[in-house]
Amino acid sequence: KQEVTQIPAALSVPEGENLVLNCSFTDSAIYNLQWFRQDPGKGLTSLLLIQSSQREQTSGRLNASLDKSSGRSTLYIAASQPGDSATYLCAVLYYGGATNKLIFGTGTLLAVQP
Amino acid sequence: DAGVIQSPRHEVTEMGQEVTLRCKPISGHDYLFWYRQTMMRGLELLIYFNNNVPIDDSGMPEDRFSAKMPNASFSTLKIQPSEPRDSAVYFCASSLGQGSQKLFFGSGTQLSVL
Repeated sequence: KQEVTQIPAALSVPEGENLVLNCSFTDSAIYNLQWFRQDPGKGLTSLLLIQSSQREQTSGRLNASLDKSSGRSTLYIAASQPGDSATYLCAVLYYGGATNKLIFGTGTLLAVQP
Repeated sequence: DAGVIQSPRHEVTEMGQEVTLRCKPISGHDYLFWYRQTMMRGLELLIYFNNNVPIDDSGMPEDRFSAKMPNASFSTLKIQPSEPRDSAVYFCASSLGQGSQKLFFGSGTQLSVL
């Protein structure tokens, strides 16, 4: 079964800390992996998309890595700020022939304390 | 572009009533997805369309759910009859292509079935 798991489920850090969120997936036959941010009562915003042939993507203070062989991705947030507080979800697009499947993890709820 | 637009933002209805959720994707996007989000099950893909044609509806919970996309700029998700267990946030998302492009989400419809 194709699954996506995120650990930890919740994380609280003081402002300024660097932090890592983890995502693991069960099948290496993936097309790509995306990291999303969800604020309370809002939709999801795509942060970074990594193609299966890539190892990492960077945007500002965010860096996402992908290791297909071990079925893992990490989202690194540098110098965290209170505005980074949100739920972060990873989603894996699995190959499915005519019907590729985008499977979401359950998310990590991040709280950055001022 | 205004992004993916969903309506209504909130819907409260009584069990047995018909509910229709609406979505306008980003202009030019050829993929449209309907997701449901609950605390218990996270984000679940219900159905997705490519060029207005339903590709995979295996996530539609049962025959009470139906989705249409009569043209490239409009889609509906209908529940008839609605039940309390349908209470959730329903998201519409769109993308240009499926593999290499980011997924853009609407703000969601919060559905409460009493």
